[in-house]
Amino acid sequence: DVKVTQSSRYLVKRTGEKVFLECVQDMDHENMFWYRQDPGLGLRLIYFSYDVKMKEKGDIPEGYSVSREKKERFSLILESASTNQTSMYLCASSLSAGGEQYFGPGTRLTVT
Amino acid sequence: AQRVTQPEKLLSVFKGAPVELKCNYSYSGSPELFWYVQYSRQRLQLLLRHISRESIKGFTADLNKGETSFHLKKPFAQEEDSAMYYCALSRYSSASKIIFGSGTRLSIRP
Repeated sequence: DVKVTQSSRYLVKRTGEKVFLECVQDMDHENMFWYRQDPGLGLRLIYFSYDVKMKEKGDIPEGYSVSREKKERFSLILESASTNQTSMYLCASSLSAGGEQYFGPGTRLTVT
Repeated sequence: AQRVTQPEKLLSVFKGAPVELKCNYSYSGSPELFWYVQYSRQRLQLLLRHISRESIKGFTADLNKGETSFHLKKPFAQEEDSAMYYCALSRYSSASKIIFGSGTRLSIRP
């Protein structure tokens, strides 16, 4: 069974703070993804990575950055959190970029 | 541009009634289509993909290239089918990402 874990289920941060969301997968997948999930908007891709140290912007990268130093770990960084970044953040991994994605449980981030 | 459209945000049907969740896509090449499902307090997971042509939990979906649709169907709804459903598209022979629709919340009434 593929396991994708995320460091926190719930997180509350203040405006302007730097926020780190971590994601780890245990199936040696090449590809990892960060999405935000908002009601009525579905899943929107923030960034994805197809190899260690490689990353590509998704549809809504503004205000975010990512880091992939090891194959199993993909971090999402909010450089200066803002209230409009309050959302559910989902991490996913896949063997191939367009193939089945395996999702983590999500991190509900609230920025006050 | 590639796009996945799910026109219904909410679909409510009675238990035992047929269910059809609509999905339309725009893509000029050969797409691969998926349905993902998220049950309450569970993680998002793959329900089915068109290339496997399987029936999962009684659900089927047929790719209609002429109508650019991939509707999800089930002849008799069950209460445990209540969930959020996302249609998704990826391109063959590409390293690109999967594109998700905005989702349809299916509510089965007893």
